[in-house]
Amino acid sequence: DTAVSQTPKYLVTQMGNDKSIKCEQNLGHDTMYWYKQDSKKFLKIMFSYNNKELIINETVPNRFSPKSPDKAHLNLHINSLELGDSAVYFCASSDPGQGYGYTFGSGTRLTVV
Amino acid sequence: AQSVTQPDIHITVSEGASLELRCNYSYGATPYLFWYVQSPGQGLQLLLKYFSGDTLVQGIKGFEAEFKRSQSSFNLRKPSVHWSDAAEYFCAVAPNSGYALNFGKGTSLLVTP
Repeated sequence: DTAVSQTPKYLVTQMGNDKSIKCEQNLGHDTMYWYKQDSKKFLKIMFSYNNKELIINETVPNRFSPKSPDKAHLNLHINSLELGDSAVYFCASSDPGQGYGYTFGSGTRLTVV
Repeated sequence: AQSVTQPDIHITVSEGASLELRCNYSYGATPYLFWYVQSPGQGLQLLLKYFSGDTLVQGIKGFEAEFKRSQSSFNLRKPSVHWSDAAEYFCAVAPNSGYALNFGKGTSLLVTP
């Protein structure tokens, strides 16, 4: 069983479109995250979501909006996609009560053309 | 400001040689420290982590890391590198449990025959 799963694995879309990336974790973790890895491999936190509290990174454009229907899911919706949004997006989860581990999904490679 | 620095962008070692990847951090207190590895086109795999206790931490795949408070460092080591170790290595830090990880910019490891 995959601990943190993301779909789709690859996403190619045109500028201006709206798209969503889904993330699900079956670890029972309380906190979930979205990270962006750019073309230089730099990983940067975008959002973290702990149960009812969403922590927004101020450097993320408001075209990006995380949505969490329940503790096990954190989806990322992106409006009006731009070329610069092309990157690999990683979902992760953590729970300090379970050994302080952070578990990552396998990533979604988004290409905006 | 809080930061994580991996001074070496690229490192090349011969197969069978020893390896040390450097990581320095700048945080107010001892943070939680991690090393992740990313193979090409893959997600992030946790090699090891440190929260407290013994400053020499053993991880998977024969890796170890040593926390040195006086130097604010958490360097990753392996006594004998295998060709399959070629990958991108990331040092990551969190100020406390439940906080997002702050990643270094990564070190790309090339292993030569």
